[in-house]
Amino acid sequence: IQLTQSPSSLSASLGDKVTVTCRASQGISSALAWYQQKPGQAPDLLIYDASTLEGGVPSRFSGSGSGTDFTLTISGLQPEDFATYYCQQFNSYPRTFGQGTKLE
Amino acid sequence: QVQLQEWGAGLLKPSETLSLTCAVYGGSLSGSYWSWIRQPPGKALEWIGEINHRGSSTHNPSLESRATISLGTSQNQFSLSLSSVTAADTALYYCARGSLSRGTAFDYWGRGTLVTVSS
Repeated sequence: IQLTQSPSSLSASLGDKVTVTCRASQGISSALAWYQQKPGQAPDLLIYDASTLEGGVPSRFSGSGSGTDFTLTISGLQPEDFATYYCQQFNSYPRTFGQGTKLE
Repeated sequence: QVQLQEWGAGLLKPSETLSLTCAVYGGSLSGSYWSWIRQPPGKALEWIGEINHRGSSTHNPSLESRATISLGTSQNQFSLSLSSVTAADTALYYCARGSLSRGTAFDYWGRGTLVTVSS
């Protein structure tokens, strides 16, 4: 299953609301996760099952969607949110990731 | 708190075999899936494969059967072997836990170990 993220990069400012989209090449129900990766660090799980916030993740992060179209929304950008975001599907094998969205 | 740590040879020549091990601290292999994921410099993440505590594994077909994931010789360890490496296998290699309570999303990651393939 191919995951296509858009945009590939996104320029935003503190306090902005931003949305990243992930489209699956076939339906994956709600079997989608979002990760945040900062330079030199491993990815951190933000959201799983398309919309469930991982413990400890700020509530400004939210996810939605099912089937083939998913979104990650960050409401009120904070300095620590500037990073690269990846979607990943766990509906079927092989597990696949999107190509990433760099938030600048 | 679960922690993962990877290690292995960091510099290989083309055609050699990559061997990495991941140790799990603060938990056991039971009840989760354990994956290897890699990331070439400046590129996206690629799932290599996974194993469970019974030793049942699944691999990414894109690696054309070069990858083998197995349980480690010590408890709470698992390993990755990747044969016939080329420069295209140069990447940061992570081990990660696929949590069943999160639909197998990856909730714990190692810090990654860099493997460079160069003649």
